[in-house]
Amino acid sequence: AQTVTQSQPEMSVQEAETVTLSCTYDTSESDYYLFWYKQPPSRQMILVIRQEAYKQQNATENRFSVNFQKAAKSFSLKISDSQLGDAAMYFCAYVYSGGGADGLTFGKGTHLIIQP
Amino acid sequence: EAGVAQSPRYKIIEKRQSVAFWCNPISGHATLYWYQQILGQGPKLLIQFQNNGVVDDSQLPKDRFSAERLKGVDSTLKIQPAKLEDSAVYLCASSSWTSGYNEQFFGPGTRLTVL
Repeated sequence: AQTVTQSQPEMSVQEAETVTLSCTYDTSESDYYLFWYKQPPSRQMILVIRQEAYKQQNATENRFSVNFQKAAKSFSLKISDSQLGDAAMYFCAYVYSGGGADGLTFGKGTHLIIQP
Repeated sequence: EAGVAQSPRYKIIEKRQSVAFWCNPISGHATLYWYQQILGQGPKLLIQFQNNGVVDDSQLPKDRFSAERLKGVDSTLKIQPAKLEDSAVYLCASSSWTSGYNEQFFGPGTRLTVL
């Protein structure tokens, strides 16, 4: 079974600074997707960024970028120029891309606090 | 485009009572998911539907949980009878193929408290 581990229950960063959230995963598959989701206090889960395992290039979306290390099964999220609106729970998630069942496997989440 | 709708947003019941949650996916989305998110944890998949057929229900506690998706659109998740450990947020998501991937869009969730 696949597992996703987020070892940082909570992280704090000053506004405008850079923060990195860590995620490791375990799978025996070679074809999969990895995601970072943001869940603000209102609870609506929002996709932040996606990485296809077959792509060597790290995904980037504006201020958000990932460091994908496939051999190490590591998938960290870097948020540059942190803003107050970035405060939320962040979840790392995995899905195998080779079958019809594609429910996400989530980590326990990291609570990100932005200090003004 | 309207998002995934869920109701009710909050529900408080006594243990051993029954409860039902409703989800209306984004129009045209063939795949629908129910997740359970216990406080302090990430969401856990309960069941996945493709149209009105079940794709994966391996983590659904079938002795007390049931779900249906009649006509391949709306879905209902039921718990009967509820236990204290069922207190959680129940998230519904729907998906469509985007750039080769089945991107999931989440609803606001239903927060269930079992007393």
